[in-house]
Formats: sequence, C-alpha cells, structure tokens
Amino acid sequence: AQSVTQLDSHVSVSEGTPVLLRCNYSSSYSPSLFWYVQHPNKGLQLLLKYTSAATLVKGINGFEAEFKKSETSFHLTKPSAHMSDAAEYFCVPLTHPGGKLTFGQGTILTVHP
Amino acid sequence: EAGVVQSPRYKIIEKKQPVAFWCNPISGHNTLYWYRQNLGQGPELLIRYENEEAVDDSQLPKDRFSAERLKGVDSTLKIQPAELGDSAVYLCASSPLRDKYSYNEQFFGPGTRLTVL
Repeated sequence: AQSVTQLDSHVSVSEGTPVLLRCNYSSSYSPSLFWYVQHPNKGLQLLLKYTSAATLVKGINGFEAEFKKSETSFHLTKPSAHMSDAAEYFCVPLTHPGGKLTFGQGTILTVHP
Repeated sequence: EAGVVQSPRYKIIEKKQPVAFWCNPISGHNTLYWYRQNLGQGPELLIRYENEEAVDDSQLPKDRFSAERLKGVDSTLKIQPAELGDSAVYLCASSPLRDKYSYNEQFFGPGTRLTVL
C-alpha cells in the first residue's frame, strides 16, 4: 500500500523567499501522487499531480514538484512566496482502482511580510 | 461553471440531536464523495458514490451515519444522533467518471463546519 510522510507540520517563510514543503512516499511501485492546498474556510484545491509521466510537474500559482525515485520524494517548491500562499498543503497518494485519496496531516505554511 | 455546493456552511447543535448536510456536485460528475475533516487532520473518506450506488462506505459509521444519492445527482449525509466527537468539517467532492484506473480530479466544496455542544 502507498503511504506518504510530510516531514514538516509547520513551515514559515518570508514573502519573496523560496518555499519547500517536503513529502516522502513509501511504495513498492511507482505511485500516483498529488499536492492539494486548503485555504482557511475554503475547499481543497488540486495544485498538481504526478502520474508517471514527466518527473517535474508544474502546477498552479507557480508551484512545482519533482518526483525523485532514488530519494522516494515528491517535494513541493515555489521560487518566491506570496502572502496568498499561506494555507495548509497535503501530499496525497492515490489508490487504484477507484481513485481513492488518502490524506495525511498536512503542512501548514505561514508567510510573513 | 458552478463548483460543488454545500449547505449549510455552519451548523451548531446539541448532542443527541439529528443533523443533515446537503451537497450538489458539479453538473455531469458521476462520482460523489463525502469526507470528514477533524481539526488539525486531513480529510478522511466516509463514502463514495458512483451515480446512485455507494461503492465504498467502509469508513462510514453506520450506527449513526447515513447517506443517500437517490437520483445520482445531489446527496445528503445525516447523523442521528450526533455525538460530541462528530464535531468536524464535512466535505463533499465530485469527479467525472472516466474509468476506475485513471485519476479523475476531485473537486471539493467549501464544507459544512459542524459543532456539537
């Protein structure tokens, strides 16, 4: 079965500095992985997804993630943080069949002025 | 295009009372999901529908929770009676059904925040 570990429960950055949210996965085969974002009092939104095509995946709002099999990682990055990026981020594996998403605890990103 | 609609957005009830949440998915989306999100946690799937059929309800506490999607469109999730531990955000999501081996992006509603006193 697939599982992921988000290595940081909280990340704090200054506006304009890079963002790195870490996610390691554990799977015996190449997984399908997704990053979702949840802003306060709003629904979850898909940022990007990896489904065994290109290893560097570009998402919305300037975010991207690189699937590294050698490191079993799928870290989320953004070159320059914006205040509107403050939210909770979830790295989520997909289970086939049925497209079941299994959410973990997430990483809360705080952006300081 | 309208997104997933949920109502009410907030609900406060006393324990042992019944409560119901309503969800209208994106038009044309065959698959509908109900999740529960406890404070500080990620969402947990309660039930998944494909059209009218509940294809995965293994995580639904069936002693007090029930759900229906009679015409394969909107859905209602009910709790009767509610307990203190049911306080959470209840999220609805929908996705188009292509095939069960491809990923169909799930679109989430804003959720209903339930407080049980």
